[in-house]
Amino acid sequence: DAGVIQSPRHEVTEMGQEVTLRCKPISGHNSLFWYRQTMMRGLELLIYFNNNVPIDDSGMPEDRFSAKMPNASFSTLKIQPSEPRDSAVYFCASSLVRQGEQFFGPGTRLTVL
Amino acid sequence: GENVEQHPSTLSVQEGDSAVIKCTYSDSASNYFPWYKQELGKRPQLIIDIRSNVGEKKDQRIAVTLNKTAKHFSLHITETQPEDSAVYFCAASAPEAGTYKYIFGTGTRLKVLA
Repeated sequence: DAGVIQSPRHEVTEMGQEVTLRCKPISGHNSLFWYRQTMMRGLELLIYFNNNVPIDDSGMPEDRFSAKMPNASFSTLKIQPSEPRDSAVYFCASSLVRQGEQFFGPGTRLTVL
Repeated sequence: GENVEQHPSTLSVQEGDSAVIKCTYSDSASNYFPWYKQELGKRPQLIIDIRSNVGEKKDQRIAVTLNKTAKHFSLHITETQPEDSAVYFCAASAPEAGTYKYIFGTGTRLKVLA
C-alpha cells in the first residue's frame, strides 16, 4: 500500500495567489482529515469528511479556505487568496470509520511570501 | 469544548532512563487514545494506542496507561535511546460514539541525551 499521498510536497507562492493542495487517501478508507501544523498553534484539524461528506469544518480559519472531496480517492484544500500567515505544513490523514487510527500523509510545506 | 492537556511541553532524559508524558481529556465520551511520534520534518506516526475497555497496554519499551475515572492517560518509555528523541502527541477521540476526529494535545518535545 502506498499510504496517503499528498502533492505538492513543497509550495512557495506569493501573497494573493490561489493555492491548491491535493490528497489521495489510502484505498478503502472512508474518513479523511486535513490538518495544519505550525510551531505556534501545533496540530490543528481544519476539516474532516466521512464517505466524501464534510462532517466538521469548524477548524477552517476563514472563508479563504475551502475543501472538497469529489470521490473516495481524492480531496483538495484550496486557499484563495493566500496570505503569509497561511505558511505552515498541511497534513492529510485517512482512516477507517470506527477503527480510530489515522494514517498521515507526508505533508505539504506551504510558504506564502 | 473538548480539550486535551499534555505535560510536560519539553522533557530531557539521559539515555537509558525512563520518560513519562501525561495527558488529560475533557470529553467523557472519548474511548480511543492514540499516541503519535513525530520526528523532525516527518509526518506523525502512531506508536501505540489504547481503548477505554483496557487500563494498560505495552509494546516492548513503550506502554500506555488509562485512568477513565480521572480522565488521565500516560505514555511511558523505558530504556530510552537517542532515536526516541522526537515530539510526541497524545489524542482523544470517540469513534464508537460517531466522533472520528482527534483532539490532539499540544505535544511534548523529548530529548534523549547520549
